[in-house]
Amino acid sequence: AQSVTQLGSHVSVSEGALVLLRCNYSSSVPPYLFWYVQYPNQGLQLLLKYTSAATLVKGINGFEAEFKKSETSFHLTKPSAHMSDAAEYFCAVSDQTGGFKTIFGAGTRLFVKA
Amino acid sequence: GAVVSQHPSRVICKSGTSVKIECRSLDFQATTMFWYRQFPKQSLMLMATSNEGSKATYEQGVEKDKFLINHASLTLSTLTVTSAHPEDSSFYICSASSGQGTSYEQYFGPGTRLTVT
Repeated sequence: AQSVTQLGSHVSVSEGALVLLRCNYSSSVPPYLFWYVQYPNQGLQLLLKYTSAATLVKGINGFEAEFKKSETSFHLTKPSAHMSDAAEYFCAVSDQTGGFKTIFGAGTRLFVKA
Repeated sequence: GAVVSQHPSRVICKSGTSVKIECRSLDFQATTMFWYRQFPKQSLMLMATSNEGSKATYEQGVEKDKFLINHASLTLSTLTVTSAHPEDSSFYICSASSGQGTSYEQYFGPGTRLTVT
């Protein structure tokens, strides 16, 4: 069964600093991987997705993630944090064996300090 | 882009009553819809998967008689919380997929905050 582990329930960075949110997955077959952002009392917004094409995936708002099969990782990065990036971020995985159900990680709360 | 709406956005009900939450795909046909619940400061937990015209498939531990799901059309799915209790208070989020292509993607609704008093 597929699973997702997000390392660090909270990450705090200064405005302008690098953002790195870690995600490791487990899947017995090539996975689809996603990063979502959630603002308080709102639904989820897709930041980016990996679907077996390029391993470096660029998303919205300057975010990108790199799929590393050898490390079973899909870490999310952004070169320079903005205050508006403060939110909850979820890594997710789905694959054919799971009927394409999406399994979410526990989430990482990003804090951005002025 | 694909838009999914939920109604209502917030609802407060008394213990013992039933509440219906609607999930609509506004600009695409959703062959599959998913229902999640999210407790404060926690991740999304899949409750059930519904395909249009079929019975929903519930995840282990989710009471199908308590959480009634109907996916009667390609643009509408409803979740009814029957005989709600305070422990059912949560944030309920639906998502919809057209199920086309290999770049499988779900589009999420804005969520419904349910408070049972």
